[in-house]
Amino acid sequence: DTGVSQDPRHKITKRGQNVTFRCDPISEHNRLYWYRQTLGQGPEFLTYFQNEAQLEKSRLLSDRFSAERPKGSFSTLEIQRTEQGDSAMYLCASSSSTGGDGETQYFGPGTRLLVL
Amino acid sequence: ILNVEQSPQSLHVQEGDSTNFTCSFPSSNFYALHWYRWETAKSPEALFVMTLNGDEKKKGRISATLNTKEGYSYLYIKGSQPEDSATYLCAFESGGSYIPTFGRGTSLIVHP
Repeated sequence: DTGVSQDPRHKITKRGQNVTFRCDPISEHNRLYWYRQTLGQGPEFLTYFQNEAQLEKSRLLSDRFSAERPKGSFSTLEIQRTEQGDSAMYLCASSSSTGGDGETQYFGPGTRLLVL
Repeated sequence: ILNVEQSPQSLHVQEGDSTNFTCSFPSSNFYALHWYRWETAKSPEALFVMTLNGDEKKKGRISATLNTKEGYSYLYIKGSQPEDSATYLCAFESGGSYIPTFGRGTSLIVHP
């Protein structure tokens, strides 16, 4: 078990471009979460999946954001027509709903996005 | 919107000092309280998940207590070491949600 991984670790893009991030959760975890973290703030919830089903989306997630988890394993987060306000750290976390560890979420290292 | 507050925002201590931080959260509809440690350039690491009023958890020199009736949790570090330097985050889960609300964190710097 190598933990939660995210790719890329850093992304610099120009305003108006589309970007896609990938998250590979811990293999036996059925829940996957996306968060956004900006300077001086805690992680803010964006969306979460149980298996392949997207069960909840935050109001923070505008129409330019879309997330998928097609086979209930890895997930992608796409931001279309990026804006400077999208610059942030995007964190992915996974957990198991079997409750063996009290639903602890295990985080990846994040993708830091800078929109110029 | 759930209000999760952490204090202090930042803390500088000398090696060997003991320290503590506070996380306050809504006292109604409590499900769980999580503590994480986030070192620079690393993934946030789970320290504790606490579910019962009066819970006390310990991991090495770090311990945490929970009071769900008054809506607060304390994290204690005994004999701080430079490697304890990190941001400590708490996250509150309300009943039936599965979605934690994070505080802004307490940034701890331990000086040798």
